[in-house]
Amino acid sequence: DAKTTQPNSMESNEEEPVHLPCNHSTISGTDYIHWYRQLPSQGPEYVIHGLTSNVNNRMASLAIAEDRKSSTLILHRATLRDAAVYYCILTPYNTDKLIFGTGTRLQVFP
Amino acid sequence: EPEVTQTPSHQVTQMGQEVILRCVPISNHLYFYWYRQILGQKVEFLVSFYNNEISEKSEIFDDQFSVERPDGSNFTLKIRSTKLEDSAMYFCASRVSDRGFTGELFFGEGSRLTVL
Repeated sequence: DAKTTQPNSMESNEEEPVHLPCNHSTISGTDYIHWYRQLPSQGPEYVIHGLTSNVNNRMASLAIAEDRKSSTLILHRATLRDAAVYYCILTPYNTDKLIFGTGTRLQVFP
Repeated sequence: EPEVTQTPSHQVTQMGQEVILRCVPISNHLYFYWYRQILGQKVEFLVSFYNNEISEKSEIFDDQFSVERPDGSNFTLKIRSTKLEDSAMYFCASRVSDRGFTGELFFGEGSRLTVL
């Protein structure tokens, strides 16, 4: 399984943008980049996914490097509710299991 | 918004006992999963299930584990003879797509299993 590298933790202030990086230098051409998050005491929650192009949805934006060896999840205005562990996960197109790493623990301060 | 529901939220059992964890996936979803998370550790894939068959299972999912979709709505995980190391949060998940994996997996809130 292709591996991702994320910082263990990051901090942000409320209402500021947050950029969560993910390195995946061994990504293959058919790997999708998924982001999930896990709020305290809850199940994982889908955030966004992409293949090559940048993606936007109501929760976040995903910026994918041109060589696809890294990506950045962007929360445009962090709220206290965004405090969670964020997982960057690579998934080949022909499989449907998610391999979770340790993720980035995001703390948001008022 | 539709959601995956799991029961019980917490179950305490004695080592060696059988446990059944129940899940009601989102109604039009076709693919079902169990994951688990031991306290303080990563979320781990256990099994995927489609068309009344196991599609894929991990090494964790040994003969002590089984899954079933007994009717049109429930999806269950059974652990036949629980061990201390089975203590974990178990998450059920489902997705709709029948054309390969395209993204969103919906997870339930989890069932906490404590084995004494």
